Amino acid sequence: DTGVSQDPRHKITKRGQNVTFRCDPISEHNRLYWYRQTLGQGPEFLTYFQNEAQLEKSRLLSDRFSAERPKGSFSTLEIQRTEQGDSAMYLCASSLTYGRGQGTQSSTDTQYFGPGTRLTVL
Amino acid sequence: AQSVTQPDIHITVSEGASLELRCNYSYGATPYLFWYVQSPGQGLQLLLKYFSGDTLVQGIKGFEAEFKRSQSSFNLRKPSVHWSDAAEYFCAVGWYSSASKIIFGSGTRLSIRP
Repeated sequence: DTGVSQDPRHKITKRGQNVTFRCDPISEHNRLYWYRQTLGQGPEFLTYFQNEAQLEKSRLLSDRFSAERPKGSFSTLEIQRTEQGDSAMYLCASSLTYGRGQGTQSSTDTQYFGPGTRLTVL
Repeated sequence: AQSVTQPDIHITVSEGASLELRCNYSYGATPYLFWYVQSPGQGLQLLLKYFSGDTLVQGIKGFEAEFKRSQSSFNLRKPSVHWSDAAEYFCAVGWYSSASKIIFGSGTRLSIRP
C-alpha cells in the first residue's frame, strides 16, 4: 500500500498525559499536512510542512501541540498535557508540489489523506 | 474571510435516484476546489478536483461537479446513486492568493433509501 499511513489508529489516554502520533506520507511527497476533525465537522487545518520546514501553523495549534518532520519524510504530532477538548480525529495528508510558500500552487498539489488517528481523552 | 458552506447537513435519496450536493464558497480570489468522501471512522478519499479549464469535472465512482464562478458554487452530482454511496461528503476550497491550506465545509451526510 503506497498511500498515507497513520499510527496508531486509535488512542485512549487520560487527561494530562502526553500522546504522539505518526504520519508516513506518500513516498516522495514533499508537503505534509495535519488536520483535526471533531464530530460532525469538516477537517480543520493545523499545520503543514514542505520537506522538513514547518511553513504555517494555525491558531488552533496551542503551545501544547508540536509537530516535527525531521528528515522531510514521516512526521510526528505531539500533544502535551492532553485535555478532554483534544478528543478528535487527527488526519494527516500529503501532496506533491513544485512551488514553495504561500500563494504557490501546481496542478499536482492535491492532498491525499490517511485513515486518521482517533484520540479519546478521558 | 474565506469560508466554505455546505447548506445541507443530511440528505436522503432513494437508490437509483439522482443526487446533487451543494457547496458555496466566499472570497473573491480564484479558487481551486475538491470534493472528498469519508466513510465512518475512515480518512478522506478524493472524488474529484478543479484547478482550471473545463468547469465540468469528472471524478471517480460516477461523480461529477460543476464550477460556477458567478454563483461561487461547486456542486457535486451523480445521476444514479448506489447504496454504497452512503457516506459523508466534504467540499474543500483553496485560494491561489493564500497559503496552501484548504478549507473544508462542514459536510453533508448522505443516506440511501432502499
